[in-house]
Parts: sequence; structure tokens; C-alpha cells
Amino acid sequence: GQNIDQPTEMTATEGAIVQINCTYQTSGFNGLFWYQQHAGEAPTFLSYNVLDGLEEKGRFSSFLSRSKGYSYLLLKELQMKDSASYLCAVRDRGGGFKTIFGAGTRLFVKA
Amino acid sequence: EPEVTQTPSHQVTQMGQEVILRCVPISNHLYFYWYRQILGQKVEFLVSFYNNEISEKSEIFDDQFSVERPDGSNFTLKIRSTKLEDSAMYFCASSVGGAPDTQYFGPGTRLTVL
Repeated sequence: GQNIDQPTEMTATEGAIVQINCTYQTSGFNGLFWYQQHAGEAPTFLSYNVLDGLEEKGRFSSFLSRSKGYSYLLLKELQMKDSASYLCAVRDRGGGFKTIFGAGTRLFVKA
Repeated sequence: EPEVTQTPSHQVTQMGQEVILRCVPISNHLYFYWYRQILGQKVEFLVSFYNNEISEKSEIFDDQFSVERPDGSNFTLKIRSTKLEDSAMYFCASSVGGAPDTQYFGPGTRLTVL
């Protein structure tokens, strides 16, 4: 079956660092994405991992371990505007590029 | 910066009616997708489309759904006979190529079925 697990909610303080974990069990794997989604808006792309290791992109970094079915998104120097849902998504191996999304982690950044 | 656009932003319809949701993908993109998100739930894949045909569809995408690229710019999702449970936000997305290309999402159409 297809299963992507991530915490439902997290709270962090402005200026701090937060790590959002994601574990997945999918029938195929062709990359893992992290998206940010503000309430009532569309998901926006943050990062992509297909090989093991860390990808860094400004204040955001994402890590992947394929053998463990595990990824995390690291957000540094948190800002109030980072309050949003963070969606972990796995692309299937099939030719149709089906992407399976987790339920998302709602991050609250407090002053 | 180019973006995916969708119309209408909000559609209200009666149960049993047909609706067509419209999308204009980014102009040089070749792969197109529809997703839905029921309020408070996760984003769900519906269908992917490439080279004028469906590449893959989910179990949600039954005979009530169809997609079409009627011209060089539009990509549409038709729901033939809407049900109450079709009420959701529908997102169109596009990408230049397949994996590992990033999918860019449109702002969504909120469909309300009464």
C-alpha cells in the first residue's frame, strides 16, 4: 500500500530551527518532494530529493534516506510567514508521474 | 514569472450537473495534472496527461471524470454528474518534463456541490 506519515502539528519560535519528519512506504519511488501550503492556497515547491543525502536551498534543507524510507525538512531562522502546512510527497515510479501526498504538518511559528 | 492559471476560482453547482474546470498550464510545459483536496484533507492525485492522452489515473478518476486539451493552451477537467462528495478544491499543475521535474500548481478552483 501507499503510506506517508508526518506529524500533524508542530510549534516553533521565530528565529529557531525546526525539523519536520516524513516516513513513507510506497510501491514505487522516483523522488520525494516537499511543498509549502498556506491555508486556502495552492502548494508551492520547496525541495526535491531523489538520491540519499542533504539538499540545501537557502533557509530550507531536505534530507533523504531511501533505505529507511525517511526524509526531513529543516527550516532555519524561522519567520512568522513560515507558518503554514508542509507537505511531504512521493513520486511513483510509473510513467504517469503520480505523486502521493502526506496529510501535511501544520507549523505554527510564534514570536 | 509564468504561472498556471485556473478558472473559475469558485464554482457552485447542483448535484447531478456537469461542470468543467479550466486550466492554462505554463506555456512550455508538456505534462499536466489534476489534483483535488477535500477541505481539511490531503492533496490527492487524480490524473496525469501527456502528448494528448492520459498517462496515469487514480482510483478516484472514474467514468464521471474526463480531461481534455481542446487547444494549444487550455487543459480541462469535466465532471459529468456531480455528487456532494465532489466538493473540494481542484488544483491543476504542469511540469516541463516528467520526473524529476517540479510540478507547478495553479491557484485552484473551489467546487461546491449542493
